[in-house]
Amino acid sequence: RKEVEQDPGPFNVPEGATVAFNCTYSNSASQSFFWYRQDCRKEPKLLMSVYSSGNEDGRFTAQLNRASQYISLLIRDSKLSDSATYLCVVGFNNAGNMLTFGGGTRLMVKP
Amino acid sequence: EAQVTQNPRYLITVTGKKLTVTCSQNMNHEYMSWYRQDPGLGLRQIYYSMNVEVTDKGDVPEGYKVSRKEKRNFPLILESPSPNQTSLYFCASRLGAATNEKLFFGSGTQLSVL
Repeated sequence: RKEVEQDPGPFNVPEGATVAFNCTYSNSASQSFFWYRQDCRKEPKLLMSVYSSGNEDGRFTAQLNRASQYISLLIRDSKLSDSATYLCVVGFNNAGNMLTFGGGTRLMVKP
Repeated sequence: EAQVTQNPRYLITVTGKKLTVTCSQNMNHEYMSWYRQDPGLGLRQIYYSMNVEVTDKGDVPEGYKVSRKEKRNFPLILESPSPNQTSLYFCASRLGAATNEKLFFGSGTQLSVL
């Protein structure tokens, strides 16, 4: 079982649609949670951190469910420019302080 | 401009020919790391460094070396590259050791080993 699992997609949605991605993680002691955005063959960029209380940044809402060990990302009113791969990232503050990346979910927003 | 600079952007080489991918950050970050990205596998950590002269193995360190002689530089060395090291490589840095700090990535190096 992968430590961080995501549906690879692709999710094909029309402009204006609402789309949601889920991500599950296996380490119940994980302490940090993020969504990163990656455009084709380019470097990942932080989209938002995910907090236990949930958080919102414009059209993007992230939520964390520790009991079920999953995080979600909701994108409202999708834009063409939202087309990218979204990476779920989980951190554990052990000796190595490593981040574990999911394989990514690809989103394609069509006109 | 605060950034992580990684070179070269593209590299084609042959099996066994030693190569170095450079990485430099100008943000005075303590933590630096190397990842490789392969289709369907996500980013996997190769090596990381908590500070100068402190390096440690990540998930996939075999066939790689690193050094951290200066705070700003963290080169990745492939002493004898093999075709299974063909991948997209990213260097990254963050201010400190805590995982809740933002990770800054270089623009990536696409390596092909023939």
